Formats: sequence, C-alpha cells, structure tokens
Amino acid sequence: DADVTQTPRNRITKTGKRIMLECSQTKGHDRMYWYRQDPGLGLRLIYYSFDVKDINKGEISDGYSVSRQAQAKFSLSLESAIPNQTALYFCATSENGAGGRDTQYFGPGTRLTVL
Amino acid sequence: EDQVTQSPEALRLQEGESSSLNCSYTVSGLRGLFWYRQDPGKGPEFLFTLYSAGEEKEKERLKATLTKKESFLHITAPKPEDSATYLCAVRTTDSWGKFQFGAGTQVVVTP
Repeated sequence: DADVTQTPRNRITKTGKRIMLECSQTKGHDRMYWYRQDPGLGLRLIYYSFDVKDINKGEISDGYSVSRQAQAKFSLSLESAIPNQTALYFCATSENGAGGRDTQYFGPGTRLTVL
Repeated sequence: EDQVTQSPEALRLQEGESSSLNCSYTVSGLRGLFWYRQDPGKGPEFLFTLYSAGEEKEKERLKATLTKKESFLHITAPKPEDSATYLCAVRTTDSWGKFQFGAGTQVVVTP
C-alpha cells in the first residue's frame, strides 16, 4: 500500500464550486505539505503544516485553505474554484527536519480541472 | 530572493549516450539539495539528498554532485526506462522545512 495517498485522483468541476482534496499518510511523519504543479513552473508550495496545531501559508495560498484533522490527514480546500486553479496538486510529507531527516515524500497527485 | 534554475529544459538522448543535467541555485544558505524523478501523471520520487559542497551520491546509472553554486545529475549509459522529468529542490537555512523547486529537465532516452 502507498505511504501517501490522495483522493480524488481526478476531478472536474465548475467555476464557483467548493472542492476538497484529501491526503492521508502512513509514514508517521509530522510535517505535511500541499503543492501545485503547472507546466513550466515547477512545484509551488500552497500550505504546510509542522504538526496538527501548526499551519503556515506557502508562496501561493490565496484562494486556498487547509485543515489538519490528525497527524496523518491534511486536506486542501478551494472555497470557490476558478479556472486558473486547474493544475496537478501534490501532497507531501517529511520528518521533523533534524539530522538530515528532511526528505519530502510525495503522493500520486490529484489532477483538478476547473471549467 | 532564492532561486533554483534547471537546464536544459529538455534533453533527448540515444540509449547509451551519457549526459548531465544542471541545477544552479542562489540561496542565502543551503541546508540541503534534493533530486527527484517524476514520471508522467505521477508524484515525484526521491533520488538523492546532498548537504555539502563536494558530496556525491550514486544510484545505478545516476550520480549527483554538489558545488557551492550548482548540482549536476549525471546519467551514464542511459536506458529508455530513465526517461522522466528530473526535478531538483533546495532547502535553505532560513526556510524551516520549506523546499524551493526548479522547473525540471525532461529527459527522453530513445532505443
């Protein structure tokens, strides 16, 4: 079974709809991240969480919100989806960053299309 | 502002034709440099972490090296299964846990 899972894997929605993307992990990591990937732009950080009570904005958080329901679950919401939020979304996890244990491990991604 | 630049954007190789990918970075302080492989429609897969200039890591046909300004990913005698997009990312000393990614190099290896 995959260590980092994302649901749904594909989603097509309409402008103005509320969308939630979910991420679960069995790696036991404290830190979780949401990224979006657009062609030619690489991965850009939306939000990150170092533990259940610590949530921080990344470089492109406008239009998004997150919820860390438990150590293993981190959800990303688009309150009112717009077409330029069409992208690949990835969840990632990492350990606490000390002593070299800071590698990020990625889920399989969610392809979101906003019409 | 921290920057990570990968070159070339795309690379087409014949099977067995060795080459190198470049990741140059401008950061205030480097905590670590990471290489990932990404297949179409999938999440990035971790390859290597490098922490200090002069460090090298190897895995099968891949070898990563690090200097104070850039990292190279050398692909020796590539096979078609090495076709993928290769991403590099840096973690800086002033960005706790945050990574900055380059745009990637798309590698195609033909038989």
